[in-house]
Amino acid sequence: NAGVTQTPKFQVLKTGQSMTLQCAQDMNHEYMSWYRQDPGMGLRLIHYSVGAGITDQGEVPNGYNVSRSTTEDFPLRLLSAAPSQTSVYFCASRPRLAGGYQETQYFGPGTRLLVL
Amino acid sequence: GQQVMQIPQYQHVQEGEDFTTYCNSSTTLSNIQWYKQRPGGHPVFLIQLVKSGEVKKQKRLTFQFGEAKKNSSLHITATQTTDVGTYFCAGPHNAGNMLTFGGGTRLMVKP
Repeated sequence: NAGVTQTPKFQVLKTGQSMTLQCAQDMNHEYMSWYRQDPGMGLRLIHYSVGAGITDQGEVPNGYNVSRSTTEDFPLRLLSAAPSQTSVYFCASRPRLAGGYQETQYFGPGTRLLVL
Repeated sequence: GQQVMQIPQYQHVQEGEDFTTYCNSSTTLSNIQWYKQRPGGHPVFLIQLVKSGEVKKQKRLTFQFGEAKKNSSLHITATQTTDVGTYFCAGPHNAGNMLTFGGGTRLMVKP
């Protein structure tokens, strides 16, 4: 299993450009999520999905769109990049809750984005 | 909304010294997870605590969940250079679907 994969690893954008960060997992996990990590801020939830065709907003959704057409893929789209979106983006997945408890979350390697 | 706070933000220790990071939630948690992120890497799951007052050990790492299930701690005995990284706690967010992460404690170990 490749686990959670993300592309690209690095990206430089100009203000106003749009792009899509790709995320895929081969573990048949229902739950997928996107986080951004900024120095001293920990990981903040952008959007998440509990299954194909279902998405919802996290703590910091503004400026981002997501879709979940398949179980495997969960792309994150930046509509019009801004310097404030310079960050490291992590995609994560996990199985559905079992017995009411949280399951282990698996993270991808991250995408480092710089917006000029 | 729910907040998860971690202290300290940074910690420098001499190799062989002990290290502790503390995690506090504004709400009662059904469970808490701990992750480690090496420099330049991604968060990796360490452990989950579920029961009030629970204590779990992994070699030199000891994890505790408070009696009120609102705080937790990670203690490392006799740190090694391989312990370098940022340690995050995380609790369930939004009806248990996703995780809210603390800000992390960055551990630096001087050899």
